[in-house]
Amino acid sequence: DGGITQSPKYLFRKEGQNVTLSCEQNLNHDAMYWYRQDPGQGLRLIYYSQIVNDFQKGDIAEGYSVSREKKESFPLTVTSAQKNPTAFYLCATQKGGDAETQYFGPGTRLLVL
Amino acid sequence: GENVEQHPSTLSVQEGDSAVIKCTYSDSASNYFPWYKQELGKRPQLIIDIRSNVGEKKDQRIAVTLNKTAKHFSLHITETQPEDSAVYFCAAHGDSGGYQKVTFGTGTKLQVIP
Repeated sequence: DGGITQSPKYLFRKEGQNVTLSCEQNLNHDAMYWYRQDPGQGLRLIYYSQIVNDFQKGDIAEGYSVSREKKESFPLTVTSAQKNPTAFYLCATQKGGDAETQYFGPGTRLLVL
Repeated sequence: GENVEQHPSTLSVQEGDSAVIKCTYSDSASNYFPWYKQELGKRPQLIIDIRSNVGEKKDQRIAVTLNKTAKHFSLHITETQPEDSAVYFCAAHGDSGGYQKVTFGTGTKLQVIP
């Protein structure tokens, strides 16, 4: 877990603004994931990437975008199209292959002003 | 796609008693089932996992059982302590068009009463 960093810890978004959440890892893991967690709820998958320059939509991708230009980095942009972005955002990584554990970053809490 | 159901949503036990949380999954191809513990405001942390070729796994006070035929798996915590209080999530890993996809349960809030 210490090999995954997310920044910032707290982020405030104004209406109509795009904001970007950072996720960096030094575990040399191939796969990276973004989840959204609402209060008292489970984790919902936004986007995931198995290799550099490739990513797939998860269950709630609308209003979000990602890029995977480097193996170590998987930033998430919350666009103005996401009308209810207030949530706890978790980045996770997984070693390539089948049936491997996911490890989570410390999370970013996004709040709307 | 995969669907994971988790019960109960809340669970209160007296310190020293056992706690059991159950999950069912829908995709028979799912092959890896981790359990995570999440304390308030923190990241989920893996506490135990089981692969589809194993029926039971134990680590001190924590155990997980898997019934592939019935497609359900359970977390068992014995001799509960106040520090076990947290939200617990189950998950199922499966293949989604060549990608590893993880589906989480909705969580169980466990309260251990001293």
